[in-house]
Amino acid sequence: AQSVTQLDSQVPVFEEAPVELRCNYSSSVSVYLFWYVQYPNQGLQLLLKYLSGSTLVESINGFEAEFNKSQTSFHLRKPSVHISDTAEYFCAVTLGGYNKLIFGAGTRLAVHP
Amino acid sequence: DGGITQSPKYLFRKEGQNVTLSCEQNLNHDAMYWYRQDPGQGLRLIYYSQIVNDFQKGDIAEGYSVSREKKESFPLTVTSAQKNPTAFYLCASSNQGVYEQYFGPGTRLTVT
Repeated sequence: AQSVTQLDSQVPVFEEAPVELRCNYSSSVSVYLFWYVQYPNQGLQLLLKYLSGSTLVESINGFEAEFNKSQTSFHLRKPSVHISDTAEYFCAVTLGGYNKLIFGAGTRLAVHP
Repeated sequence: DGGITQSPKYLFRKEGQNVTLSCEQNLNHDAMYWYRQDPGQGLRLIYYSQIVNDFQKGDIAEGYSVSREKKESFPLTVTSAQKNPTAFYLCASSNQGVYEQYFGPGTRLTVT
């Protein structure tokens, strides 16, 4: 069975500082990996995904994540955060097709001025 | 605009009443999903449906029921048998060959 662990429940950071949100997964087979972002009282929006190919994937708003198969990790990073990045971030895995997404518990990123 | 709509955004019910949450999508996606979100627990799958007139239980199906009579619609009924129904409910959809799921805005259900 697959599982996802997000190592930090909350990450406070000052504006323009770098941030890393950690995600580790366990699976005996290959998986597809995702980061979703959720703003207060809203649904989830896909931030970025790893399906195959380059292990470094980027989003349009400056986030990036690196798939590390040996460490079974998919950490999310941003070199300089903005107030508007304040949200909850979820890491998720799936076996693909119509298999369910398995989510981590989420990391609440709080960006302070 | 294509997307997923959930209504209502906020819903209040008395304990012992059944309540139905609406989910409609115009993305022409085959599969639809219902998740429950509780603080600090991420999202947990309640039910999912890959095609019309077929659905499967997820991890926490007890106390819930669904139907899939149309491709666009996947309503969720929270029955009185659900012991802790107060939560944020999210509907999602996906299509064959596309691994990510697209989410609706959610319905916050409060049962007192």
